[in-house]
Amino acid sequence: DGGITQSPKYLFRKEGQNVTLSCEQNLNHDAMYWYRQDPGQGLRLIYYSQIVNDFQKGDIAEGYSVSREKKESFPLTVTSAQKNPTAFYLCASALDLGPTYEQYFGPGTRLTVT
Amino acid sequence: QKEVEQNSGPLSVPEGAIASLNCTYSDRGSQSFFWYRQYSGKSPELIMFIYSNGDKEDGRFTAQLNKASQYVSLLIRDSQPSDSATYLCANGNTGKLIFGQGTTLQVKP
Repeated sequence: DGGITQSPKYLFRKEGQNVTLSCEQNLNHDAMYWYRQDPGQGLRLIYYSQIVNDFQKGDIAEGYSVSREKKESFPLTVTSAQKNPTAFYLCASALDLGPTYEQYFGPGTRLTVT
Repeated sequence: QKEVEQNSGPLSVPEGAIASLNCTYSDRGSQSFFWYRQYSGKSPELIMFIYSNGDKEDGRFTAQLNKASQYVSLLIRDSQPSDSATYLCANGNTGKLIFGQGTTLQVKP
């Protein structure tokens, strides 16, 4: 089955710890994205990548880092510098970067930091 | 700041009725518009996209785009209780999607 997987589904961490969220896709998509969703709000873009070893900051990149060492993988690290890390994190992919390419989402990771 | 605005609702309609969900956007350069459905606790699912002025129909769903008025809507005909969800509108420019905050739809049996 082709699709996007994210793991884990739920993640709990103590304040001050870095945590890495996994995102893998087998759709052969070039573009990958990370979004954050807070209760009652839309999605906000954290980082995106069009090709391996290249990525761009989105609207709320502070306190986050990413890597794109393989086409199918785009992990997100939430660092201790992120002031309000508790949120629902969504990874998406698209055939390419461009306004007419549909983005498809993984199942998400719900991160709770206490 | 480029924005997408949606009424958060909830919008309540009886089963079998037409549900009309609306979205306005500020970026005149937006080239594409997407509607996602999100069930509670789940990730968004793409249900419609539209690039040209006018209507686009897919089954019970119709997306309507009016670029002059910077307005996009989603009509759901013969609404079912299973359509109860939050509907997110997004517009695209240079590959980055800008999302609205979503409209919650409740379809009552």
